[in-house]
Amino acid sequence: GAGVSQSPRYKVAKRGQDVALRCDPISGHVSLFWYQQALGQGPEFLTYFQNEAQLDKSGLPSDRFFAERPEGSVSTLKIQRTQQEDSAVYLCASSLRDRADGYTFGSGTRLTVV
Amino acid sequence: RKEVEQDPGPFNVPEGATVAFNCTYSNSASQSFFWYRQDCRKEPKLLMSVYSSGNEDGRFTAQLNRASQYISLLIRDSKLSDSATYLCVVSPGGYNKLIFGAGTRLAVHP
Repeated sequence: GAGVSQSPRYKVAKRGQDVALRCDPISGHVSLFWYQQALGQGPEFLTYFQNEAQLDKSGLPSDRFFAERPEGSVSTLKIQRTQQEDSAVYLCASSLRDRADGYTFGSGTRLTVV
Repeated sequence: RKEVEQDPGPFNVPEGATVAFNCTYSNSASQSFFWYRQDCRKEPKLLMSVYSSGNEDGRFTAQLNRASQYISLLIRDSKLSDSATYLCVVSPGGYNKLIFGAGTRLAVHP
């Protein structure tokens, strides 16, 4: 597609439920990033993939968060046993190569944990 | 202390006004610098890169002071459509993850 596609756009989860958020990057983009944006804050880095390799997961807040990109294209961010503090917008971005000015962000998934 | 600090605002200005936003960053090894714009409930979008020599894009001027670890954005002749949150962003280099400030809200009124 023309841009980075994320689904679902909105997700309401009951506390303790597992969720999976999908990111479909721009075709051919090697780099893929996940960010978490809490209300009133800037996006915060979660994890980075170069093709299928997860090269940095230092931003994942706990071991309940897991991300994968098995074929170097679509990525999934999974959150197990969701908690209220996980409520945020989860943004995916892709880049053709490692250029900081080459990011394209998706529209995000707004997760609300009740 | 956050790696990138910004005044959260909001800045409420009339159309036609000049407004300036400032930002400081803590990592002196940062390599790249940007201003992003984020409209309500939308994704961030790159407004402009920031260079040490200063750069201008129409009504927008960005400056970087590496010695002071300070970044600024000046908007001249504000338009209603400039109302948004402006995010100061730095990148440490390497694979270029982005580190965002919390953003400064701008509201331009008639």
